Amino acid sequence: DTEVTQTPKHLVMGMTNKKSLKCEQHMGHRAMYWYKQKAKKPPELMFVYSYEKLSINESVPSRFSPECPNSSLLNLHLHALQPEDSALYLCASSQPLGTGELFFGEGSRLTVL
Amino acid sequence: SQQGEEDPQALSIQEGENATMNCSYKTSINNLQWYRQNSGRGLVHLILIRSNEREKHSGRLRVTLDTSKKSSSLLITASRAADTASYFCATAFLGGNKLVFGAGTILRVKS
Repeated sequence: DTEVTQTPKHLVMGMTNKKSLKCEQHMGHRAMYWYKQKAKKPPELMFVYSYEKLSINESVPSRFSPECPNSSLLNLHLHALQPEDSALYLCASSQPLGTGELFFGEGSRLTVL
Repeated sequence: SQQGEEDPQALSIQEGENATMNCSYKTSINNLQWYRQNSGRGLVHLILIRSNEREKHSGRLRVTLDTSKKSSSLLITASRAADTASYFCATAFLGGNKLVFGAGTILRVKS
């Protein structure tokens, strides 16, 4: 069982909707990540938070807005998405930002109509 | 691109056989990691090998690293149907602060 929990598991939204993806971890990790994964492709890094501060933004469009309310929670706010944004969104956490092992959640499958 | 390249893209074997997947990269690394992903699920960390290590074992997994050739291989021995998944290498480049995932190998183990 994963120790990184993502909700919802599935989300369908229209292009004018506003929704949020949520991620929670209780491993005491201080770095949290959002990845986007399209079918049959590797995960692509979107954002990294380190000690609750945004550390990396991989030039992600502003229709994706990350938020880290505390060291255990990570949100991804979605607004005015496009159909091509449909993908599996994966949250991960690790010990302080670096290049060690990542612990992934099971992902949120997003479909934009 | 710094992304690692994996081969083969897909591999189909019989249960009990060994599976070997390869990963090549372009610049010097701090470490290299392998992850498994079952269809539509999250990634699971398998093993991490540091740049000063040449070989590591974990259960039925054996990973080798050749920094002179900038390549790594993952060997799964005595494969099982449950090993059916996508396998990704991820490289941590020297001076970098993130992992870069390779394109992945899709492994199918037939029972």
